[in-house]
Amino acid sequence: QSVLTQPPSVSAAPEQKVTISCSGSSSNIGNNHVSWLQHLPGTVPKLLIYETNKRPSGIPDRFSGSRSGTSATLGITGLQTADEADYYCATWDGSLNAAVFGGGTKVTVL
Amino acid sequence: QVQLVQSGAEVKKPGASVKVSCKASGYTFSNFFMHWVRQAPGQGLEWVGVTNPSGTTTAHAQRLQGRVTVTSDTSTTTFYMELSSLKSEDTAMYYCTQDLHEWGQGTLVTVSS
Repeated sequence: QSVLTQPPSVSAAPEQKVTISCSGSSSNIGNNHVSWLQHLPGTVPKLLIYETNKRPSGIPDRFSGSRSGTSATLGITGLQTADEADYYCATWDGSLNAAVFGGGTKVTVL
Repeated sequence: QVQLVQSGAEVKKPGASVKVSCKASGYTFSNFFMHWVRQAPGQGLEWVGVTNPSGTTTAHAQRLQGRVTVTSDTSTTTFYMELSSLKSEDTAMYYCTQDLHEWGQGTLVTVSS
């Protein structure tokens, strides 16, 4: 049971848009920055979004992050087959004094 | 550029301990905390623990309370994660990561009798 709640899966056709939600509480998302990671099987996780809405260099602007209250959202526009992967949200939880991850969301391109 | 090079795969028996290293280079060692994250087969990412570069400030996942120790060696710019009283459920790929931005290549730890 993850502290942060993500949908198990989302899907859309190529070139369409998907959004992935990450629901938490005031002890984590509500008061700390959120990161988003992309993870393909057999590879090292890749940071897509940090500090809730910033993209590391090299990450295309098709990926975006936002937060409202105690929930965060990752948006992916212009969906490509290469985007098929597992996506995780992560943040710090002040009550647990620990970093926490969402359970992960599998993105499928139809 | 930043490089995080981890030690090689380990096979351990239940009840044993394992110590994974993460050699950091290409950046100012004292500037960044180092986290440890693991992924068991078929499972999601799980945070294990974190240490500041000097090893004076650490935190770890509650479910690993008493079994995990994260340390650092400033003389060799190396971070360590030690897990004791190993169980089969600890079988996983273990990663060191600099604030989720940079990642080591991963170390597979297999716990099997």
